[in-house]
Amino acid sequence: GDSVTQMEGPVTLSEEAFLTINCTYTATGYPSLFWYVQYPGEGLQLLLKATKADDKGSNKGFEATYRKETTSFHLEKGSVQVSDSAVYFCALISTSGTYKYIFGTGTRLKVLA
Amino acid sequence: ETGVTQSPTHLIKTRGQQVTLRCSSQSGHNTVSWYQQALGQGPQFIFQYYREEENGRGNFPPRFSGLQFPNYSSELNVNALELDDSALYLCASSAVGGGRTDTQYFGPGTRLTVL
Repeated sequence: GDSVTQMEGPVTLSEEAFLTINCTYTATGYPSLFWYVQYPGEGLQLLLKATKADDKGSNKGFEATYRKETTSFHLEKGSVQVSDSAVYFCALISTSGTYKYIFGTGTRLKVLA
Repeated sequence: ETGVTQSPTHLIKTRGQQVTLRCSSQSGHNTVSWYQQALGQGPQFIFQYYREEENGRGNFPPRFSGLQFPNYSSELNVNALELDDSALYLCASSAVGGGRTDTQYFGPGTRLTVL
């Protein structure tokens, strides 16, 4: 079945450091890909998405490119801030049966001042 | 525009009891999906409702059931609660009845604790 694999956390960075969170997927067909962010005690917020190969999603300084050849959708940010501390989830829309989201296990990011 | 809302925020139940969680979808959205997020895990799909009909189900037993109302709000019912049902329950709404480019918008969740 379809699945998403994320790098394990926690990831601890100093402010202004470069961030990469790896995400790879397994899916039949051509799923859309998403990054969601979850702050403590809150639900999930959409960060960015890409719907076809080579699309780049971007928002708030975060970027991710849909790489069909490597089945990856890595999240990057050039300079992180303390306020970016949260849990980040990579997800895809499964195209097998119901169009449901399949999430990775999440990667916790902690940014130190 | 009102976002997705859920009630209650927190709930404590004992094993064997029944619980109902509620969700109001974002204005203009006709599809609601429910997810279970165990501590330290990603959300797991429970089921989806589109125009008051169940439109797909994940790997959850029949004691997890739902409803969608004409105003597109929704309920999640769980019977015979088990300790493992303790989790954050997330509701998400979307505008187009599913689809490979559909974006789901999540509510803040209901934290259920089963003792």
